[in-house]
Amino acid sequence: GENVEQHPSTLSVQEGDSAVIKCTYSDSASNYFPWYKQELGKRPQLIIDIRSNVGEKKDQRIAVTLNKTAKHFSLHITETQPEDSAVYFCAASMGGSYIPTFGRGTSLIVHP
Amino acid sequence: GAVVSQHPSWVICKSGTSVKIECRSLDFQATTMFWYRQFPKQSLMLMATSNEGSKATYEQGVEKDKFLINHASLTLSTLTVTSAHPEDSSFYICSARDPGVLRTDTQYFGPGTRLTVL
Repeated sequence: GENVEQHPSTLSVQEGDSAVIKCTYSDSASNYFPWYKQELGKRPQLIIDIRSNVGEKKDQRIAVTLNKTAKHFSLHITETQPEDSAVYFCAASMGGSYIPTFGRGTSLIVHP
Repeated sequence: GAVVSQHPSWVICKSGTSVKIECRSLDFQATTMFWYRQFPKQSLMLMATSNEGSKATYEQGVEKDKFLINHASLTLSTLTVTSAHPEDSSFYICSARDPGVLRTDTQYFGPGTRLTVL
């Protein structure tokens, strides 16, 4: 089955700095890569996703890049704000399966 | 976007009792729903895939007689934790995909249910 590795487990940055979270996946058949943000005690919410036919996608301060050859994808958050503090999960989904495999999560702390 | 609700949001029960958690898709019909379990500061662990009108598909290591899943309609799936014990205490989250939109891969999560077994 699919295996998703996520790093780092904890990331601490100053407000205004950029934050990068990296994930690798094992199955080359995976073609959908969503990122979820989960605040303490709340539900995971989709913040951005990318499909295998695209190398990069951006939405305001958030961007995701995908390297299919190396089987890794990254989340980039620029100009971080305290409200960006949360746990971020990456996931990979194999075509035809629709059941994503989640990474272990990254706890992002943005210090004001 | 699609909305998934969950009830109750939290429950405290005595050891040995059973607890039912409901997951509803409010504005779409979900033929498939997913049940996850999440321990503090850990990732989402898929427990089972709930299929409307048929038996749930359980992940390896998940006891199907312990965690009963019923997907009786296109908008409701229930998870019953039978004979709950303290080790069953956890955050249970359901999710569903909206087949009515092009991006069927997108999962929408419920708000979760915090179960505490005394």
